[in-house]
Amino acid sequence: AQSVTQLDSQVPVFEEAPVELRCNYSSSVSVYLFWYVQYPNQGLQLLLKYLSGSTLVESINGFEAEFNKSQTSFHLRKPSVHISDTAEYFCAVSHRDDKIIFGKGTRLHILP
Amino acid sequence: EAGVVQSPRYKIIEKKQPVAFWCNPISGHNTLYWYRQNLGQGPELLIRYENEEAVDDSQLPKDRFSAERLKGVDSTLKIQPAELGDSAVYLCASQPSETYEQYFGPGTRLTVT
Repeated sequence: AQSVTQLDSQVPVFEEAPVELRCNYSSSVSVYLFWYVQYPNQGLQLLLKYLSGSTLVESINGFEAEFNKSQTSFHLRKPSVHISDTAEYFCAVSHRDDKIIFGKGTRLHILP
Repeated sequence: EAGVVQSPRYKIIEKKQPVAFWCNPISGHNTLYWYRQNLGQGPELLIRYENEEAVDDSQLPKDRFSAERLKGVDSTLKIQPAELGDSAVYLCASQPSETYEQYFGPGTRLTVT
């Protein structure tokens, strides 16, 4: 069975500082990996995904995540956060046409 | 392009009462999902539709929950009777064919008192 672990429920970080949101998964087969973002009072939006190919994937707003098969991780990083990045971030895993399993989420707090 | 529409956005009911949620997916998206998101948790799948067919309802508590997707477009999720533990945000998502990206609606926040 697949599962996702987001190690941090909340991450406070100063504006313009770098951030890393951790995600580990467990699966015995090859997986697809996702990061979704949920801004306050809004639905979830896909931030980036890994399906195959390059292990480093990027989003249009400066986030990136690297698929590390040996460590079964898919950590999300941004070199410099902005106040507008305040949101909850969900890591998710699926296997082909199987259902997506979401982590519990990490709330990113941007400090002025 | 209009996004996934859900209504109502908020609903407060007393326990043992029925409640229904409605979802209109993005036009052309064949796959539709209903999730439940408890406070401090990620979304958990309740049911997945491919067109009109429920292809995965293994997580749907069938004693009190029901869902339908007539004509393969709009969908309704019903709870009857509601229990205190059903308080959560109910999310609808749709997905186009041949992709792995789900598009979520804003959700319905249900409070059972």
